[in-house]
Amino acid sequence: AQSVAQPEDQVNVAEGNPLTVKCTYSVSGNPYLFWYVQYPNRGLQFLLKYITGDNLVKGSYGFEAEFNKSQTSFHLKKPSALVSDSALYFCAVRDMRDDKIIFGKGTRLHILP
Amino acid sequence: DAGVIQSPRHEVTEMGQEVTLRCKPISGHNSLFWYRQTMMRGLELLIYFNNNVPIDDSGMPEDRFSAKMPNASFSTLKIQPSEPRDSAVYFCASSFIHGSNQPQHFGDGTRLSIL
Repeated sequence: AQSVAQPEDQVNVAEGNPLTVKCTYSVSGNPYLFWYVQYPNRGLQFLLKYITGDNLVKGSYGFEAEFNKSQTSFHLKKPSALVSDSALYFCAVRDMRDDKIIFGKGTRLHILP
Repeated sequence: DAGVIQSPRHEVTEMGQEVTLRCKPISGHNSLFWYRQTMMRGLELLIYFNNNVPIDDSGMPEDRFSAKMPNASFSTLKIQPSEPRDSAVYFCASSFIHGSNQPQHFGDGTRLSIL
């Protein structure tokens, strides 16, 4: 069965420091991987996706994510965190074989000024 | 360019009442999704449509829940009768056909409280 795991409920990072939000996945076929961000009282907003090609994917707001097939991971990263990056982040995976999309439980990112 | 529009933004009603949530997807998108978000269960896919046809409703929790998409620009999610455990934020999302690699675009949700 396909699944996606975000092992950290919350991540705290000081402003200006690099940040990483972790995601691992399990699918039976080739994955499509996505990251979304949710601000308070808003819907999810698309940040970036991995379909194929370069393992390092660049997205909105200076975020990037690294696809690692051997570790089945797709961690979200940013070199220098901003207070405005504080939000809830969701990793999602779609298995191309059965077309289901699964969202992780979300990681709350706190950027401390 | 208008995004996904959901109404109402907030709904408070008493248990047993019928609740109807509405969604207008982005023009040109041909897949539509209904999700429910709670603290306990996170984000759950309830049902999705391709070209106005329901494809997978395995996430619909009970027969009290029903969804329709009469045309490409409108969908409803109905709960009848409502119960306090239905309290959640309900999101609608749309995308180009779900078999592609296109991301979903979410509305800002309907916060539903059943008393």
